[in-house]
Amino acid sequence: NAGVTQTPKFRVLKTGQSMTLLCAQDMNHEYMYWYRQDPGMGLRLIHYSVGEGTTAKGEVPDGYNVSRLKKQNFLLGLESAAPSQTSVYFCASNNLRGSYYGYTFGSGTRLTVV
Amino acid sequence: GIQVEQSPPDLILQEGANSTLRCNFSDSVNNLQWFHQNPWGQLINLFYIPSGTKQNGRLSATTVATERYSLLYISSSQTTDSGVYFCAVEPTYSGAGSYQLTFGKGTKLSVIP
Repeated sequence: NAGVTQTPKFRVLKTGQSMTLLCAQDMNHEYMYWYRQDPGMGLRLIHYSVGEGTTAKGEVPDGYNVSRLKKQNFLLGLESAAPSQTSVYFCASNNLRGSYYGYTFGSGTRLTVV
Repeated sequence: GIQVEQSPPDLILQEGANSTLRCNFSDSVNNLQWFHQNPWGQLINLFYIPSGTKQNGRLSATTVATERYSLLYISSSQTTDSGVYFCAVEPTYSGAGSYQLTFGKGTKLSVIP
């Protein structure tokens, strides 16, 4: 069982370039999330999905788009990267079993925009 | 939105010492979780504790929902406890079905041998 897998792990982009971050989970979780983490900050929610084919905005959605075409995958897109999007990106999925809201996080993608 | 404040921001401990980390939140919550981020960046769920007390080995947590705070206790600390501890909450007013967490800025713990 891999849990939550993020690809790529590292990436350097030039301002204005586009890219897609992939998150894949093999736990059959309904809920998936994209967070960003900046130095000295907690994680901030970018977008989330409550099931296949659904997406919703989080706290800091500007400059990002997402898609959840398959239940196991949640894609985060940057259409025109900006230096302010330099960050570590974490994907998470949620286990709704019973009353225990167990979250599983991926290992992160470190993105630098120059 | 809901405010989550963690204290202290930084903590240095000698191996074997005990510590208490605090999380204050500004509104009622459905969900409160504690996470540990190790020095390599991996985030691990420690506790789901919207109220009451739970224990897991050397770690325990208590949430007093009516007073809007939670405490994480680490006893007999080890160097492997080093990292950042995050408190994250889901406010009651967020509505059913989203399970969105708002994170505090974390407490950075360094345990020295």
